[in-house]
Amino acid sequence: AQTVTQSQPEMSVQEAETVTLSCTYDTSESDYYLFWYKQPPSRQMILVIRQEAYKQQNATENRFSVNFQKAAKSFSLKISDSQLGDAAMYFCAYRSNNNNDMRFGAGTRLTVKP
Amino acid sequence: DSGVTQTPKHLITATGQRVTLRCSPRSGDLSVYWYQQSLDQGLQFLIQYYNGEERAKGNILERFSAQQFPDLHSELNLSSLELGDSALYFCASSVGREQGAYTQYFGPGTRLTVL
Repeated sequence: AQTVTQSQPEMSVQEAETVTLSCTYDTSESDYYLFWYKQPPSRQMILVIRQEAYKQQNATENRFSVNFQKAAKSFSLKISDSQLGDAAMYFCAYRSNNNNDMRFGAGTRLTVKP
Repeated sequence: DSGVTQTPKHLITATGQRVTLRCSPRSGDLSVYWYQQSLDQGLQFLIQYYNGEERAKGNILERFSAQQFPDLHSELNLSSLELGDSALYFCASSVGREQGAYTQYFGPGTRLTVL
């Protein structure tokens, strides 16, 4: 079964600095998607960025980028120029293209200090 | 307020019983997702419905079932309840069919306690 591991329960970053959130996953499949979601106190699960496993190029969305290492099964999220509004719970997720099952990591709580 | 409503907020019941949790998605959203969140298991995806049809299935037990009705509200039925089923059950909705491609809006959750 696929598992997603986020080894950092909490992270802290200074406003305007850069922070990297870690995520590793375990799978025997070759066709899948990876996602990073942001969950603010309002409890939306906001899609931040997604990566198709067959694409070698790392996905980028404005200040958010990923470092996708398929062989190492690693999918880290880099947030550049951190803003106060980035403070939230961040979840890494894996979705199988075989059965659409979605697996979430335990989450990383990010604090942004002014 | 995400626009997703869930009832009831709290539910206390005994082992072996059956309960039904209800969810109304945001206006215009066709997908409904059910999740279970417990302290030891984290957030577990259970099942997704899109426009009345089952779209994706996760780690959902055979004792659990769900459906989405023509008005797009959804119900999650939990039967033969066990102590380990105690958890927070979230419903979420999104506009599209492809899971993960869209922001999901979570409801406030139903806290189920099985005694």
